[in-house]
Amino acid sequence: NAGVTQTPKFQVLKTGQSMTLQCAQDMNHEYMSWYRQDPGMGLRLIHYSVGAGITDQGEVPNGYNVSRSTTEDFPLRLLSAAPSQTSVYFCASSPPGSPLHFGNGTRLTVT
Amino acid sequence: AQRVTQPEKLLSVFKGAPVELKCNYSYSGSPELFWYVQYSRQRLQLLLRHISRESIKGFTADLNKGETSFHLKKPFAQEEDSAMYYCALSGSNQGGKLIFGQGTELSVKP
Repeated sequence: NAGVTQTPKFQVLKTGQSMTLQCAQDMNHEYMSWYRQDPGMGLRLIHYSVGAGITDQGEVPNGYNVSRSTTEDFPLRLLSAAPSQTSVYFCASSPPGSPLHFGNGTRLTVT
Repeated sequence: AQRVTQPEKLLSVFKGAPVELKCNYSYSGSPELFWYVQYSRQRLQLLLRHISRESIKGFTADLNKGETSFHLKKPFAQEEDSAMYYCALSGSNQGGKLIFGQGTELSVKP
């Protein structure tokens, strides 16, 4: 099993560009979520989903969009990148009531 | 407000010394508490969850509801324990949502 797979691993964007961070899991987990990791701030929840077709906002959703058309995939879209979105992004999945499984992360730099 | 606080950004100990990473939480209800570990540039991995009440890699953590704490302890630190440690909280039926602390970097020196 691949677990939770995130692509790309690294990305550099210019301010105003858009891009999609991909996340896929092969464990048939219902729950999926996106976090950003910043020094001194731990991980903060951006968006989450409890199943296909259902998404909701987390603590820091501004500037990000998500969709969940299938159980396996949960892409994160940056519509107009800003330097404040420079961060490491982690996708996670889990069955209900179980701990999260994390991907390897995407390191994003916005110049 | 729901919050997890890890007061130490960096904890440095010598190999063989005891280690305690502090975690305090604020939550109105019955949360589930976790410790996650992140070794250098790797993904976060679950280390402990309070309902399991088990010891992983020599680490233990006890939930103290009176003090709202979930400190992580190990009697004898090893160099391979050097990593970033995150305390996290989840409420019941929270759809996989976790509230993380700021993280504590543990450095174990030889």
